[in-house]
Amino acid sequence: SQKIEQNSEALNIQEGKTATLTCNYTNYSPAYLQWYRQDPGRGPVFLLLIRENEKEKRKERLKVTFDTTLKQSLFHITASQPADSATYLCALDKRYRDDKIIFGKGTRLHILP
Amino acid sequence: DAGVTQSPTHLIKTRGQQVTLRCSPKSGHDTVSWYQQALGQGPQFIFQYYEEEERQRGNFPDRFSGHQFPNYSSELNVNALLLGDSALYLCASSSRAEIQETQYFGPGTRLLVL
Repeated sequence: SQKIEQNSEALNIQEGKTATLTCNYTNYSPAYLQWYRQDPGRGPVFLLLIRENEKEKRKERLKVTFDTTLKQSLFHITASQPADSATYLCALDKRYRDDKIIFGKGTRLHILP
Repeated sequence: DAGVTQSPTHLIKTRGQQVTLRCSPKSGHDTVSWYQQALGQGPQFIFQYYEEEERQRGNFPDRFSGHQFPNYSSELNVNALLLGDSALYLCASSSRAEIQETQYFGPGTRLLVL
């Protein structure tokens, strides 16, 4: 069955450093992979989408890589700030219209001042 | 431009009762998906509505049903509530006209079943 795993439940990073979150998947060939941010008690907020034929995507301090051979995506936040503290979710997006989007459990990121 | 809105924000029910949750999609969006998110878990796909029909369904029992109205808003109904149905219920809207169909989530409805 399709499986998606995010590297750890929680990650503590010192302010100013780069935070790197990992998303691995099996038994799936997504056309897209998405990253979301979720704050406690709130809905997820879309951050970045990367296509299967893209190696890397950047948006301000965020960078996402997508390796379809390793079946892995890395999500980087450079120059991290305490305001970046949140849960980050990766989601495998559909190849075909009737495929379902699958979310990982998320990684809770704490940026320590 | 209002984003995705959901009502109510919080709800307390007892086992066996029925509940209806409501969602209004982002302006210009025609597709609504519902998710259940238990504490510490990622969102789990329940179903998706487009053109007032259920198009896809996740691994949820028939107690979970939905509806989409001509104005694209949607309802999620859960019958015979169980304690395990306590969760954050998220609605997400998207547009089929977009190739990537990026989803925009609402704030969710927190359901507690006692």
